Amino acid sequence: QTVVTQEPSFSVSPGGTVTLTCGLSSGSVSTSYYPSWYQQTPGQAPRTLIYSTNSRSSGVPDRFSGSILGNKAALTITGAQADDQSDYYCVLYMGSGIVVFGGGTKLTVL
Amino acid sequence: QLQLQESGPGLVKPSETLSLTCTVSGGSISSSSSYWDWIRQPPGKGLEWIGSIYYNGGAYYNPSLKSRVTISVDTSKNQFSLKLSSVTAADTAVYYCARLVRSGTYFIDYWGQGTLVTVSS
Repeated sequence: QTVVTQEPSFSVSPGGTVTLTCGLSSGSVSTSYYPSWYQQTPGQAPRTLIYSTNSRSSGVPDRFSGSILGNKAALTITGAQADDQSDYYCVLYMGSGIVVFGGGTKLTVL
Repeated sequence: QLQLQESGPGLVKPSETLSLTCTVSGGSISSSSSYWDWIRQPPGKGLEWIGSIYYNGGAYYNPSLKSRVTISVDTSKNQFSLKLSSVTAADTAVYYCARLVRSGTYFIDYWGQGTLVTVSS
């Protein structure tokens, strides 16, 4: 079974830029996987950030952006703020009705 | 504004069946572009997709859970439900219901607040 891979952890300085990625254990991520991204803080339900690779969900600041970088989907946070410290999950559509979550990236802002 | 609310027992004994219901308000569960999903998160771990159902009863399941999972829908009550059989401690998790858009794209746009289910004797 194909695994969706994410960096387990990442750190960024306040005001800095960070790019989190979402890949496949076998193969390349393309727009056909409709990558989406979610932010989760402890004790809270996830919040939708990005869908269809690069479309921002309603109310999401434009410092969050999505793209395909090489063979992975990517979430870039430009001008990181303290409250961006969260867990970030990607989701890929694998076909045949199946969606798969990545393992998540714990982002530290310090 | 669409809202989803999970309900059900917070404690289930090993080998028994976990049953949860999600009530949808602020919109119709019969919306043509909407699928209704269950997702779970074990304590301290990541999110796992369980499955998805359409208002007509058509469903998709995570292959790793398929043999134990049944998702059903009740359009008259604007609710959908999850049953997970033969549970073990590994099924202890926060269970979320959510809406998955499947219309030219695939993403979750609304989430319930989640409910913790503990499997223990």
